[in-house]
Amino acid sequence: QVQLVQSGAEVKKPGASVRVSCKASGYTFTNYNLHWVRQAPGQGLEWMGIINPNGGSTTYAQKLQGRVTMTRDTSTRTVYMELSSLRSEDTAVYYCAKESTIFGVLLIDYWGQGTRVTVSS
Amino acid sequence: SSELTQDPAVSVALGQTVTITCQGDSLRSYYASWYQQKPGQAPVVVVCGKNNRPSGIPDRFSGSYSGNTASLTITGAQAEDEADYFCNSRVSSGNPWVFGGGTKLTVL
Repeated sequence: QVQLVQSGAEVKKPGASVRVSCKASGYTFTNYNLHWVRQAPGQGLEWMGIINPNGGSTTYAQKLQGRVTMTRDTSTRTVYMELSSLRSEDTAVYYCAKESTIFGVLLIDYWGQGTRVTVSS
Repeated sequence: SSELTQDPAVSVALGQTVTITCQGDSLRSYYASWYQQKPGQAPVVVVCGKNNRPSGIPDRFSGSYSGNTASLTITGAQAEDEADYFCNSRVSSGNPWVFGGGTKLTVL
C-alpha cells in the first residue's frame, strides 16, 4: 500500500532553516509528482510547491519563491523540503502528498502524516 | 483570480442534507477535488471530478458544478461527517494548485 512517512517534529529559531523529509513506498516513485502543503494552526491548507521525482523539476508557490527548495533522492525514494529564513508565521504542520489521476482528474490522493514545525525564539 | 472561496462554517441537523460551496474562476476550466479533514488527521479525498467518489467513500457524498462554483452535498449527514472540508483545483495563472480556505461542518 502507498505510504508517505515524514520526518519528526522540529523546533527552530527565527532566521534558521528547516528540512523535512518524506519517504515514499508502495508505488513507482518516479511516476508521480509529490506536493508539499502546509497548514498553520487553526488555518486552511496552503499549497507550497511540487516536485517531479523523475527529473527533479520543481514549481514553487510565488509567496515562497527564494525561501523554499524541494529535492529528491531516487535511490532512497525520498523527497525533501527545505524552508529558509524562518519566521513565526511559518509555524505549521507540513505535509507531503502524492499526486495521481483518478477518474481523469489530477488530484492529491495520499498524504504523509504531517510534520509539525514550530518557529520560536 | 486564482483563489477559491468557501464559507467558513456550515451546520446541519443529523440526517439532513447540507451543501458546501467553493467559488473561483479556475472552476470554469478545471474540476475541483473535495477533501475531508478531521482534527489531527491528514485530509482524505471524498469527491473528485464531475461527481466521482474514491472507493470507500459513502454515496451520501456527491459533487456538482454551476458556472464558477463547485458544490459538495452530503445527503443524510452523519455525526462522523463533522469535519473541515477543503476544495482544491488547478489554476491556469499564478500558483498552479490552490486550496479553498475550508468550511467547518458541524452536525447538530
